[in-house]
Amino acid sequence: GNSVTQMEGPVTLSEEAFLTINCTYTATGYPSLFWYVQYPGEGLQLLLKATKADDKGSNKGFEATYRKETTSFHLEKGSVQVSDSAVYFCALSDDSNDYKLSFGAGTTVTVRA
Amino acid sequence: DAMVIQNPRYQVTQFGKPVTLSCSQTLNHNVMYWYQQKSSQAPKLLFHYYDKDFNNEADTPDNFQSRRPNTSFCFLDIRSPGLGDAAMYLCATSHDIGSGDTQYFGPGTRLTVL
Repeated sequence: GNSVTQMEGPVTLSEEAFLTINCTYTATGYPSLFWYVQYPGEGLQLLLKATKADDKGSNKGFEATYRKETTSFHLEKGSVQVSDSAVYFCALSDDSNDYKLSFGAGTTVTVRA
Repeated sequence: DAMVIQNPRYQVTQFGKPVTLSCSQTLNHNVMYWYQQKSSQAPKLLFHYYDKDFNNEADTPDNFQSRRPNTSFCFLDIRSPGLGDAAMYLCATSHDIGSGDTQYFGPGTRLTVL
C-alpha cells in the first residue's frame, strides 16, 4: 500500500535560515506528490505539487523536486520568515488507492525572529 | 474568489446531542470530501461524494453520516457525538478524481463535545 514518511518535528529555526523537510514515499502506482501547509487554527492549503518524475513544484519561495530514483519529495526554502511557522504535510495520491490522499504525519515548523 | 466555506468555525455540543456541520463550495467541483483531524495528527478521510455517489471509508463509524443535497453543499451529521469525536473537521473539494487532481480544503470546523 501507499505510505508517506516525513522527518519528525518539531523544527525550530531562526528567521532567514534554510529549511528542509524530508519526505519519502512508498507507492505501487505512479503517484502525484503534494505539500500542504496548515497554519494555526486553519485548514490545509496546497503549497505545491508535482505529477511526474523530475517535476519541480514551487510556490512562495518553497520548492520540491519529484525524485523517482530515491522516492523522495523534499521541501526546501532558502530563507524562512516568521510567517512560515506552520505544520507541513507531504501527501501522495495514485490509482492504487482511488487517488485518495495519503498523508505523512506532518512536521511542525516554528520560525523565531 | 472561488472557495470552500465551512460553518460554523467552532461548534460546541453535548455528549450524545446530534450535530450537523456544513460545507459549501463555489468551485463547482464534482467531488466533496470530509476529513477528521485530531490534534497533532494528519487528516483522516471519513467519506466523499462524487457528484451524488456516496463513498464511505471502511473504518468510518456508523455515527457519522453525510448528505449532499446539491453540487454546492455537503453536510456532516454526527448522530450521537462522543468525547472521542472532538476534533477539527475539514471539508475539501476536487474537480475530479485522478492523477494530479488537487483537493482544496476549507478552514475547518473545530468540534468540542462536553
